[in-house]
Amino acid sequence: DAKTTQPNSMESNEEEPVHLPCNHSTISGTDYIHWYRQLPSQGPEYVIHGLTSNVNNRMASLAIAEDRKSSTLILHRATLRDAAVYYCILSPGNTNAGKSTFGDGTTLTVKP
Amino acid sequence: NAGVTQTPKFQVLKTGQSMTLQCAQDMNHEYMSWYRQDPGMGLRLIHYSVGAGITDQGEVPNGYNVSRSTTEDFPLRLLSAAPSQTSVYFCASSYPINEAFFGQGTRLTVV
Repeated sequence: DAKTTQPNSMESNEEEPVHLPCNHSTISGTDYIHWYRQLPSQGPEYVIHGLTSNVNNRMASLAIAEDRKSSTLILHRATLRDAAVYYCILSPGNTNAGKSTFGDGTTLTVKP
Repeated sequence: NAGVTQTPKFQVLKTGQSMTLQCAQDMNHEYMSWYRQDPGMGLRLIHYSVGAGITDQGEVPNGYNVSRSTTEDFPLRLLSAAPSQTSVYFCASSYPINEAFFGQGTRLTVV
């Protein structure tokens, strides 16, 4: 199964943009790139997902490299509530869908 | 619309006891999964299901059984609890490819 690699931790200042990187060099053509975040003592929460094109929603933007071997989650203006562990995962889009595996994620600290 | 409901929220077991963690969703999702999360770690996939009557193993299936007799429910059974199974367990459901919804977790301690 394809794996993802993320930095263990990142820091940001409040109200500044944050770029969270993810490497997935063994991604297959049918894998979707999903991002989730987990606040302390809570279950993971969906952030955004995409296949090939860049994606935007009310929470964030997802920039996907042309060769799909890496992606970046962009939080346009970090707030203290964005402090969480962010997970980049690959979700198979074929008959093996449902078998999504998480790595250890990136712990984002937001400083006031 | 309750989303994904896990019960119980907390449980303490003695080594060797068995129990079932319940997971129910009311969104008519085809896909359901069970994960465990050890302290300071990411989530690891235990078992998953792509529809009623269909289940498969994830990364860490040993010591756990699942079945999926209905679309709504996906219980996780611990056959003989061991201290190594002390963890937080999360259930998730989704439509194919789309966003997954997670429950609030079951915090299990095995003594």
